[in-house]
Amino acid sequence: DAKTTQPPSMDCAEGRAANLPCNHSTISGNEYVYWYRQIHSQGPQYIIHGLKNNETNEMASLIITEDRKSSTLILPHATLRDTAVYYCIVRIYNQGGKLIFGQGTELSVKP
Amino acid sequence: NAGVTQTPKFQVLKTGQSMTLQCAQDMNHEYMSWYRQDPGMGLRLIHYSVGAGITDQGEVPNGYNVSRSTTEDFPLRLLSAAPSQTSVYFCASIDTGTDKMNTEAFFGQGTRLTVV
Repeated sequence: DAKTTQPPSMDCAEGRAANLPCNHSTISGNEYVYWYRQIHSQGPQYIIHGLKNNETNEMASLIITEDRKSSTLILPHATLRDTAVYYCIVRIYNQGGKLIFGQGTELSVKP
Repeated sequence: NAGVTQTPKFQVLKTGQSMTLQCAQDMNHEYMSWYRQDPGMGLRLIHYSVGAGITDQGEVPNGYNVSRSTTEDFPLRLLSAAPSQTSVYFCASIDTGTDKMNTEAFFGQGTRLTVV
């Protein structure tokens, strides 16, 4: 299984961009990178996903390196409500919907 | 649509008791799964199902049974509860029809289980 590595914690000032890195050096060519977040032990919430190209939606941007061995989730203007644990996950191609969670990054947005 | 619904939200069991955690989804998703989350940890996969009648083990299956008789429901059974099963349990479903890889997972709000 392609594994991901994330820093355990990060701080960000409110209103600034939060850049959360993720390494996935063993990713295969047809496997997607997904990002979820979990706020206060609620159910995880989908943020964004990508395969090769950079992606942007109303919540965040996802930058994937050309070799696909790492990616960065960008929250362009972090708010206090973005304080959460962020999980980077590689979705395994031949295992359907199987998502294996790592430890994630605990992001603290400070005033 | 209700999405993924888990019941109950909270439960306290005595050691050795049995119970079933319910999970239902109304999105006609083929893939469903159960996770547990212990304090300060990420989610760990217990069991999953790729469709009605098909189930398989995840990372931490011991002490849990599942079945999938319908597309909508995926109950998780604890046959003889142990304190080590005190955790928060999450159910998830994903649309994997026609081998889709480009779809998000939907999670329930969790069942907080305490075994005393």
